[in-house]
Amino acid sequence: KAGVTQTPRYLIKTRGQQVTLSCSPISGHRSVSWYQQTPGQGLQFLFEYFSETQRNKGNFPGRFSGRQFSNSRSEMNVSTLELGDSALYLCASSLIGQQETQYFGPGTRLLVL
Amino acid sequence: KNQVEQSPQSLIILEGKNCTLQCNYTVSPFSNLRWYKQDTGRGPVSLTIMTFSENTKSNGRYTATLDADTKQSSLHITASQLSDSASYICVLFLYGQNFVFGPGTRLSVLP
Repeated sequence: KAGVTQTPRYLIKTRGQQVTLSCSPISGHRSVSWYQQTPGQGLQFLFEYFSETQRNKGNFPGRFSGRQFSNSRSEMNVSTLELGDSALYLCASSLIGQQETQYFGPGTRLLVL
Repeated sequence: KNQVEQSPQSLIILEGKNCTLQCNYTVSPFSNLRWYKQDTGRGPVSLTIMTFSENTKSNGRYTATLDADTKQSSLHITASQLSDSASYICVLFLYGQNFVFGPGTRLSVLP
């Protein structure tokens, strides 16, 4: 079975721009979660989607949003980028929810200049 | 004070040696406690998941323990290999569907 895939792997943007990241979960997995990882803050939870609905949300501003499609693929959008948004964005999937083992993708490394 | 602290911050050991990583937490109760391994430039990989009531969980050469009384968890790595060089992250999954992440321990295994 193919693992979690994320595109693009690397991205460079400038302040004020917006960005969309994509995540394809493991086949059959319906829960997709997004995380931000920075050297200063470590791993932080952004949100979780299940059956096209946001089921859980971390403590991030509204500039961070996401959605999930009927095939469970998910996208994450960050608007009005700030320098502090530079991070590794990780996507993880699981069968039905975050309470079980999650499988992470390789991440998208975003650099905001 | 952070809700999850890990020690040591970094560790260097020789190949073949055993080591133990510590995770101290203040939040309680929680749904489960997880240990992840993260290689540089890659996503984390789940090693163990323990519920609040479990004391130990093994995954090959990795053994995690949980002491709810002292609010400590440890990850013991037996017969270390070069491929064990990575960051190890302790994570609490709380009731209410929230996560508390530790800062990680950076392990380097030298030949």
